[in-house]
Amino acid sequence: GEDVEQSLFLSVREGDSSVINCTYTDSSSTYLYWYKQEPGAGLQLLTYIFSNMDMKQDQRLTVLLNKKDKHLSLRIADTQTGDSAIYFCAPHGGRDDKIIFGKGTRLHILP
Amino acid sequence: DTEVTQTPKHLVMGMTNKKSLKCEQHMGHRAMYWYKQKAKKPPELMFVYSYEKLSINESVPSRFSPECPNSSLLNLHLHALQPEDSALYLCASSQEGSDSPLHFGNGTRLTVT
Repeated sequence: GEDVEQSLFLSVREGDSSVINCTYTDSSSTYLYWYKQEPGAGLQLLTYIFSNMDMKQDQRLTVLLNKKDKHLSLRIADTQTGDSAIYFCAPHGGRDDKIIFGKGTRLHILP
Repeated sequence: DTEVTQTPKHLVMGMTNKKSLKCEQHMGHRAMYWYKQKAKKPPELMFVYSYEKLSINESVPSRFSPECPNSSLLNLHLHALQPEDSALYLCASSQEGSDSPLHFGNGTRLTVT
């Protein structure tokens, strides 16, 4: 089945850029999503990229996809305290219709 | 505010109790999901309903029993749970097809004593 890997922690100073990385194994995934989870809440859809694109920009968010290496990244520009959360990478639409999440990257904002 | 509503927000139950978790969405989504999330872990898929029929059961113990009475509602019936079943139970929905984004509720925090 699908295997999704992320680094567990990232600390960034307020105002700097954050880059969260993800690798996955199922090359047939059609959409690659990023979800954000704040404490005590469910996951919310943050952004996504279609598998035939290599970059998507949405305000402060930039998603980069290297399909050959099965590597996805999420860049958050001008990181704010409200960006403090856990970010999950989740490829969708792969071989077995199951949506599997990466372990999540906890983003900590330093003052 | 989330468009997927889960009740109750918190639930404490003994190992001999029977309880149910409820989930509701009115976005016309045809797929609904139950995930279990332990602290500091990603959500783990439990069940998927597609067009009100169970399409995926991730080898979940029979003490968890899902039910989809109609396209807007999803229940999870709980019976004879163990303390290790304590977790955040998340419901999600999506338009048909596994390439659609998931819309999550805020979850039910379950504690089994």
